[in-house]
Amino acid sequence: DSGVTQTPKHLITATGQRVTLRCSPRSGDLSVYWYQQSLDQGLQFLIQYYNGEERAKGNILERFSAQQFPDLHSELNLSSLELGDSALYFCASSGSSGTAYNEQFFGPGTRLTVL
Amino acid sequence: GDSVTQMEGPVTLSEEAFLTINCTYTATGYPSLFWYVQYPGEGLQLLLKATKADDKGSNKGFEATYRKETTSFHLEKGSVQVSDSAVYFCALLSNFGNEKLTFGTGTRLTIIP
Repeated sequence: DSGVTQTPKHLITATGQRVTLRCSPRSGDLSVYWYQQSLDQGLQFLIQYYNGEERAKGNILERFSAQQFPDLHSELNLSSLELGDSALYFCASSGSSGTAYNEQFFGPGTRLTVL
Repeated sequence: GDSVTQMEGPVTLSEEAFLTINCTYTATGYPSLFWYVQYPGEGLQLLLKATKADDKGSNKGFEATYRKETTSFHLEKGSVQVSDSAVYFCALLSNFGNEKLTFGTGTRLTIIP
């Protein structure tokens, strides 16, 4: 158990809908990262938050957005869903920023299926 | 930009066989290198890491050495077990302030008794 929790575990929805994925980082971790794992794109970095502020952005679509709340949990919002958004979405957390050596601890993921 | 090239899978081995999964990288500077493992139905777990050239990471019988001259970080294990069946990902973390992990495509390993 990494200490990172994600809810829900599975999500099935229809095209055009909007969903919210939730992540609670390990106790004390300030950074939260979101990754998408799909069959055609592999594991890709989406976005990072550090202590409530957006810190880095990867290949995140404009239809997707995220935020980190004062209690450090994070939500990833996916809207106008398309079939191609079906994927496993991972959240990871780490202790602090500013060093290249931080280990990122991954949650179990949320499997999103868009029908 | 940064990239990781990983040995194509799937790989099927008999129990107690020797395992090598190749990984090479392209990055500016001196990244940290990682191997993550994903067991069926689970998230990613860090298997081992190396943060500078010539470092050897090791865990659970797996080893990988950071080779800057060949930009490689190959994963090895002397005697695999059925319980090692999983997907293995090589990844790098840049040391230029960008904290995102760049992953390889993953290698599915199946060990048969």
